[in-house]
Amino acid sequence: GQQVMQIPQYQHVQEGEDFTTYCNSSTTLSNIQWYKQRPGGHPVFLIQLVKSGEVKKQKRLTFQFGEAKKNSSLHITATQTTDVGTYFCAGRDNYGQNFVFGPGTRLSVLP
Amino acid sequence: DAGITQSPRHKVTETGTPVTLRCHQTENHRYMYWYRQDPGHGLRLIHYSYGVKDTDKGEVSDGYSVSRSKTEDFLLTLESATSSQTSVYFCAISDQASGGYNEQFFGPGTRLTVL
Repeated sequence: GQQVMQIPQYQHVQEGEDFTTYCNSSTTLSNIQWYKQRPGGHPVFLIQLVKSGEVKKQKRLTFQFGEAKKNSSLHITATQTTDVGTYFCAGRDNYGQNFVFGPGTRLSVLP
Repeated sequence: DAGITQSPRHKVTETGTPVTLRCHQTENHRYMYWYRQDPGHGLRLIHYSYGVKDTDKGEVSDGYSVSRSKTEDFLLTLESATSSQTSVYFCAISDQASGGYNEQFFGPGTRLTVL
C-alpha cells in the first residue's frame, strides 16, 4: 500500500534559523496536505497542493509539490518560538479514498 | 475551530473491557474519521464514514468497530481493549469539495490507557 515518509524526524534550530521538512511518497499523489500540531494539541490544516511543481506561500512558510508529484517540502524562514510543533504531510494517491499521513517532523526552536 | 467534540477526553481502562469513544460534530460534514496517534507513526486511520450508516475500514482496523447512526455522531468501540490500543485517538471531519478534497478538521483527542 501507499507509504508516506518524512525527514528529518526531529529538528532543533536556533530562533531565526530556517527549517525545512521533506515528505516522500511511494506512489504518485493526486494531492498533498500539510498539518501542524502544537505540543498537546490536535493537528491543524495548513495547506493543500494539487498541481505538479506548485509553490504556495503563507507568510514565512513556503510549500512545494514536486514535479513528479511524489514529494513535497515545507520551508520556514526565520523560525520563531511559535513555530514549535510537529509538521505532518498527508498524501492521497489516485487509487485511495483517504489521505495517508507521514510520521511527522518535530520542530524545536531555541530562543 | 470547527465544532468537533470528543468524549471522554481521558480514560483509563483494564485489558479485556469494552470501550466506546464518541465524536460529535455540529458542522454537518459528510465525512468522519477515527485516527490513532502513536510516537513515530503519525496518524493512522482506523475507520471512516462517508455518510449515515456508511463506514469502511482504514489501515489499522483490527480490534475496532464503528457506528454512525446520525450525521453528527461517530462512535468508535474497542470490543475488548488490549494494551496495544493505548494511544491518543483523534476524530476528524471533512466535506468533499467539487473536484477535490477539503481539509480535515480534528477534534481535541482522547487519551486512552489500557492497563
